[in-house]
Amino acid sequence: QVQLQESGPGLVKPSETLSLTCAVSGGSISSGTYYWSWIRQPAGKGLEWIGRIQASASTNYNPSLKSRVTISMDTSKKQFSLKLTSVTAADTAVYYCARGVYDSSGYRFDLWGQGVLVTVSS
Amino acid sequence: SYELTQPPSVSVSPGQRATITCSGDKLGDKYVCWYQQKPGQSPHLLIYEDSKRPSGIPVRFSGSNSGNTATLTISGTQAMDEADYYCQAWDSSTAWVFGGGTKLTVL
Repeated sequence: QVQLQESGPGLVKPSETLSLTCAVSGGSISSGTYYWSWIRQPAGKGLEWIGRIQASASTNYNPSLKSRVTISMDTSKKQFSLKLTSVTAADTAVYYCARGVYDSSGYRFDLWGQGVLVTVSS
Repeated sequence: SYELTQPPSVSVSPGQRATITCSGDKLGDKYVCWYQQKPGQSPHLLIYEDSKRPSGIPVRFSGSNSGNTATLTISGTQAMDEADYYCQAWDSSTAWVFGGGTKLTVL
């Protein structure tokens, strides 16, 4: 079955760039049906959608983070990536990659990675 | 931007019905999903298209959506249902939106 696995540094210094990658295994990343997304969750808090990319390379970002976020995809490697610039302590969170689906049943995230904790600290 | 509002916490006795609400402007015009998240785990899809259950989700979980409020109902709540629950919808201005989450305690 399809699985998602996040990877990247667990510690990032303030003002630097957070970079994470999500590897997709057991299935195709190239289907236009899916919206490959990043979602984060600060400790003890709720979920925040960061942005998404489709196989067409079309992207959409949370307006509150748009100026600092870039999501890209490498279909040959079956992975997609997140870059978040100028990080502060407020960006400390567990970062999840997830597969979004949009069809006649609406929008939903039907598959999630296990998450990776990223701490912003000097 | 579009917002979804959930109660921070709900308590229920084992075997009783638990109800978790999610409120948003004209939410009934949108499809709502619900996710369950247990401590240390990633969220997983519990309900989609307001009331449909993915394969493997127990029938005691049900959903509805009308007006400005969507509701997740757990009938015959079990101790294993103690978790955080999040509603989610899609809005043209904000894209994917989550509620703030509700911590369900089974006393």
